[in-house]
Amino acid sequence: GQNIDQPTEMTATEGAIVQINCTYQTSGFNGLFWYQQHAGEAPTFLSYNVLDGLEEKGRFSSFLSRSKGYSYLLLKELQMKDSASYLCAVRDSNYQLIWGAGTKLIIKP
Amino acid sequence: GAVVSQHPSRVICKSGTSVKIECRSLDFQATTMFWYRQFPKKSLMLMATSNEGSKATYEQGVEKDKFLINHASLTLSTLTVTSAHPEDSSFYICSARDPGTEYTEAFFGQGTRLTVV
Repeated sequence: GQNIDQPTEMTATEGAIVQINCTYQTSGFNGLFWYQQHAGEAPTFLSYNVLDGLEEKGRFSSFLSRSKGYSYLLLKELQMKDSASYLCAVRDSNYQLIWGAGTKLIIKP
Repeated sequence: GAVVSQHPSRVICKSGTSVKIECRSLDFQATTMFWYRQFPKKSLMLMATSNEGSKATYEQGVEKDKFLINHASLTLSTLTVTSAHPEDSSFYICSARDPGTEYTEAFFGQGTRLTVV
């Protein structure tokens, strides 16, 4: 079966750095996505990786290793507004998105 | 980026009635739209894939007669929850794939919070 694993919850301090990991086992691979979702709102797109390596976009970076079935989202200079759930999703061979359960990130002052 | 508009954002209905939720792509043509359901503190659960001009493809366990999907145009898909019951109360989210973007990520509507009383 297809599976995406990410930690349920993480806590970090304002101004610090946090890394959210995602491991996956899917039928084929056509890209990995990270989304941010605030409570009661729809997810918003953060990043996309299809080749191995690091993609940097402002305070957020995403890394992919296809051979290891592994990705992480790195958030720098954490702000209180970064408190949200972060969803990892993999697009499989049928171009369907397989979703992880999400990681709830709690930022403390 | 591409914009997807979902309406209504919140709806409360009586048990036994039907509710229609609209999903529109505002600045691109979406041949494919997706309908998700999300329970509190849970991840997105794909309900069905809506294809313009053809029947929707439902995921296993989703009742097609209860969750009617219509994708009559390239910019509009609707989800109708028929004969709603309290257990249908949930957060429903649509998304659309923009074939014109570099990596065709899914853009989401704002979501609809359905409460059946």
